[in-house]
Amino acid sequence: NAGVTQTPKFRVLKTGQSMTLLCAQDMNHEYMYWYRQDPGMGLRLIHYSVGEGTTAKGEVPDGYNVSRLKKQNFLLGLESAAPSQTSVYFCASSRRDRGPEKLFFGSGTQLSVL
Amino acid sequence: AQTVTQSQPEMSVQEAETVTLSCTYDTSESDYYLFWYKQPPSRQMILVIRQEAYKQQNATENRFSVNFQKAAKSFSLKISDSQLGDAAMYFCAYRRPTYNQGGKLIFGQGTELSVKP
Repeated sequence: NAGVTQTPKFRVLKTGQSMTLLCAQDMNHEYMYWYRQDPGMGLRLIHYSVGEGTTAKGEVPDGYNVSRLKKQNFLLGLESAAPSQTSVYFCASSRRDRGPEKLFFGSGTQLSVL
Repeated sequence: AQTVTQSQPEMSVQEAETVTLSCTYDTSESDYYLFWYKQPPSRQMILVIRQEAYKQQNATENRFSVNFQKAAKSFSLKISDSQLGDAAMYFCAYRRPTYNQGGKLIFGQGTELSVKP
C-alpha cells in the first residue's frame, strides 16, 4: 500500500532557484494538503485542494504555488527559493466524507535553501 | 480564526509511569474534531487518538486517553504505562467538519516527549 508518496525526500537549493515537490496518493482522496514544519511552530498549512482543478490558500501561502490537475497529484512549486523556505514539507490527503476523518501523511521532504 | 496551543515544548516521563500532555484551543464553533498525532524520529505522522466535540465521553485507545473539557477548550493527552517507543513529538490538532473549508487541520506547536528507562 503506497498511500501518500512525496518526491523528492531531500533537496538543497540555492537562493533564487525554483523547484517542484510532487505528492501522489492512491486512495482516491478528494482533499489534499501541503504543510511545512518548522521547530517550535508545529505544522502550518501552505495550500490545500478540495478537488481536481481547485486550490485554496492556507496559513502561509506566500512564495508558493500549487496545482491539482489530476485528482491523485498535488504539486507544490517554489518559483524563487529563499532561505526562509528551509523546512520540512509534508503532503497529506483525506476523504471528503463528513466525520473525524484522519489525514494520511507522506514521509516529508527536507528542503534546504542556501 | 482557530488556534491551538501546546504550552509544554518538552516533557519527560519514566518508563511505566503516566504522563499528561496539555493542549488548549480557541474557537467559536460548536462542531469540530480534535486529534493527537505522534511524530517519531522517522518523521512519520501517526494518528494516536481523535475526539468529536459533540461527544461528552472521552476517547480512549489502549494506553492513550484524553481529557476533553469543551467549556474550557482543553484537550489533554494521557499516556499510561509509558514505553520507550512512546518517545516522539506529539501534536495536538483541530479540524472543522470536512465539508467546511476542506477539513484542514490546525496544529499546535508540538511537545517533545522523552521516556527514561
